[in-house]
Amino acid sequence: AQSVTQPDIHITVSEGASLELRCNYSYGATPYLFWYVQSPGQGLQLLLKYFSGDTLVQGIKGFEAEFKRSQSSFNLRKPSVHWSDAAEYFCAVAPNTGNQFYFGTGTSLTVIP
Amino acid sequence: NAGVTQTPKFRVLKTGQSMTLLCAQDMNHEYMYWYRQDPGMGLRLIHYSVGEGTTAKGEVPDGYNVSRLKKQNFLLGLESAAPSQTSVYFCASSPRGPDSPLHFGNGTRLTVT
Repeated sequence: AQSVTQPDIHITVSEGASLELRCNYSYGATPYLFWYVQSPGQGLQLLLKYFSGDTLVQGIKGFEAEFKRSQSSFNLRKPSVHWSDAAEYFCAVAPNTGNQFYFGTGTSLTVIP
Repeated sequence: NAGVTQTPKFRVLKTGQSMTLLCAQDMNHEYMYWYRQDPGMGLRLIHYSVGEGTTAKGEVPDGYNVSRLKKQNFLLGLESAAPSQTSVYFCASSPRGPDSPLHFGNGTRLTVT
């Protein structure tokens, strides 16, 4: 079955520590890949996207993500987390055939001062 | 530039009542989407539209109807609300569909008692 998996429901990190949020997908060909962030009571904001080309993509707020075709993964990273990064993070996949976007169940990030 | 605007922000309905959620975008986007967000389930697609006058079903369309009479507006209707429809509803738009990111509204929190 086609799916987007974010295996970590909740992650806690200390401010200044590095962060990696995992995302795996199971769609046929390489889909379009996205990471979104949601602050409490807000809509989702795009952090970064991968369509093709360089497998390491840079986004806003110092985030980056790496596409690994062999692992069907698109993990989000940040070298040094700030308290303001506390939020919920969603990985999204859009197969390049069709019109839909599919979301993972999200990872909630808590940042400890 | 307002982006994607959802009205209302909050609503409480009794079982069996009907209501319409309005989504308006001022970015001239072709594609529009309605999602519902429930704890632990991420975002699930209800219906979407690839252009004025078109609509299509998503993953969870039962109990909902939609209309896209004008390009800038996408309406989501609940004909007979049920407690299972208690959720946060998000509208999103995209210029070209899967090869362009989604732009989200701030959501509508609906409670059905």
